[in-house]
Order: sequence, then structure tokens, then C-alpha cells
Amino acid sequence: DSGVTQTPKHLITATGQRVTLRCSPRSGDLSVYWYQQSLDQGLQFLIQYYNGEERAKGNILERFSAQQFPDLHSELNLSSLELGDSALYFCASSPRSLGDNEQFFGPGTRLTVL
Amino acid sequence: GENVEQHPSTLSVQEGDSAVIKCTYSDSASNYFPWYKQELGKGPQLIIDIRSNVGEKKDQRIAVTLNKTAKHFSLHITETQPEDSAVYFCAASKGGTYKYIFGTGTRLKVLA
Repeated sequence: DSGVTQTPKHLITATGQRVTLRCSPRSGDLSVYWYQQSLDQGLQFLIQYYNGEERAKGNILERFSAQQFPDLHSELNLSSLELGDSALYFCASSPRSLGDNEQFFGPGTRLTVL
Repeated sequence: GENVEQHPSTLSVQEGDSAVIKCTYSDSASNYFPWYKQELGKGPQLIIDIRSNVGEKKDQRIAVTLNKTAKHFSLHITETQPEDSAVYFCAASKGGTYKYIFGTGTRLKVLA
């Protein structure tokens, strides 16, 4: 158990809908990363937050957004969902954003768009 | 752009044999290289990492080597056991963003 929690574990929804994925980092970790894992794209970095502020952006679509709250939990919002958004979404946390760091991954949320 | 290539994509070994997975990175500024093990239905779990100022690191049956000149690093698992069966991912990161660029994964199967 990494100490990172994600809810829900599974999510099934229809095209065009909007969903919110939630992540609670390990106690004391300030940095949260979101990754998407799909069969054809592997593990892709989406976005990073550190202590409430956005620090880095990767291959995140404009339909997707995220935020980190004062209690350090983070939410990833996916809107106007398409079939291709079906994937595993992982959250990872690390103690800091500066310097080399280890990232600890949560169990993921499996999103299925029908 | 930044890229990490990982080989092989699948690997089958007999229990007790060694397994080697290789990764090559493109960004010479990369300075941190973790390896993750992902079991079915679970998130990636960090198993070992190496920083750019070190050439080799070992932890029991697992070792990682880094060749900065050639920009490649490898995972070595000795005395493999059935519970080592999983998908293994390499990654590279650097200062500034600290985001991980992942390899495409290797599915390791240890045959009893």
C-alpha cells in the first residue's frame, strides 16, 4: 500500500458526460501528479500540482482540468468524454517538487466511456 | 522530444534464471531513473531507482545499471520467482518538471 488513495475505483459513463476523479496523496506529500494509462499510449504524464499550484503540464487535453485543494487532495475533471478517454488514471504523490524525487502511485481509477 | 524506449516488450524466463530489461532515453539532461513493477489491477510500485551520479545500484535480487554516455539503463533480476511476474516500467526524469517519461513496459513471465 503506497498511502495514496484514489476514488472511485471504477467509473462507467457515456460519451459527452463529465466526471471527477479524486486523489488523496500520502500524508505530508505536497506534490501530486496525474497520469493516464491506455493500451496504445502507455503511461502518459498529464499534469502536476505542488502545494496548490500547477507546476507542469504534459499531454493533457483542453477538455481535462485539475486542481489541488488546501488539504492537498486533488481532483481531475474530464469533460465532453469520448470513447478514446477510456483508460486507467493514476495519481502519484511525492514529498517535494524540487530535486530528484520518488513518486508513489495510487491504485488508479478505471474509466470506461460507452 | 523526450522519449524512453524499452525492450523487450515481453520476456519469459524459467524460475531461477535471470531477467534483463533495457531502456534508452533521449534527453541527456535526465538525472533520475526509477523502475516500477505493476501487477494486474494495481498501480505501479517503485522497486528500485538510480541517480545520474551513480553507475550501479543493487537491492537483494534486483540491480540497476546506468550508462550515461550511451544514455541507457537496465534492470537485472536474478533468481527469478513466479511472484516476479508482472509488467515492469522504466522511467526518466530531470530537474525542473520532475515529470516521468515512461517506457512502454515489459511483461515478464516467470515459468515455474
